[in-house]
Amino acid sequence: DVKVTQSSRYLVKRTGEKVFLECVQDMDHENMFWYRQDPGLGLRLIYFSYDVKMKEKGDIPEGYSVSREKKERFSLILESASTNQTSMYLCASSLRHTQETQYFGPGTRLLVL
Amino acid sequence: DAKTTQPPSMDCAEGRAANLPCNHSTISGNEYVYWYRQIHSQGPQYIIHGLKNNETNEMASLIITEDRKSSTLILPHATLRDTAVYYCIVRVVGLGNQGGKLIFGQGTELSVKP
Repeated sequence: DVKVTQSSRYLVKRTGEKVFLECVQDMDHENMFWYRQDPGLGLRLIYFSYDVKMKEKGDIPEGYSVSREKKERFSLILESASTNQTSMYLCASSLRHTQETQYFGPGTRLLVL
Repeated sequence: DAKTTQPPSMDCAEGRAANLPCNHSTISGNEYVYWYRQIHSQGPQYIIHGLKNNETNEMASLIITEDRKSSTLILPHATLRDTAVYYCIVRVVGLGNQGGKLIFGQGTELSVKP
């Protein structure tokens, strides 16, 4: 079974803090994705990566950065957390040529105070 | 990507088949139909996808009408653990590096009742 794990299920941070969200997949998938999910807005893509050290902006990259130093790990960084970044963050991975079949982690619910 | 329309909610009795409809009347010839579900407080889970033939796997069956304007996801023997929001997504497959983002609409909230 594909397994995608995220470093925390729940996280509370203060405004202005730098926040790291880690995602690891164990199926040797080339593609990895970061989404956020908010009530009424559905899932929105923040960043994705097709290969190590490769990243592409999604629909809402502002205020975020990512890092992919190893194939199995994709990190999302909130450079200076703000209250409007309170959300559920979801990581996903897929094979390169079947990117519509994505496997999601359990999510990290982030609260920024 | 073509727009999809799903009923906002449905109920199903435990042990009975759950039939979840999806309309995608503007689907084009190279677009696939994907189904995902999201159980409360968990990440979405891939269920099944198809182009024009009916598909079946260990989780569900997907029936696509001949004109491809609608489809039905069938959970043959629903259990309480199938209670979730089910999303129907229409996508062109294999766009390469043009982005693999999935656009989830509002979905159908399925409640399986004992």
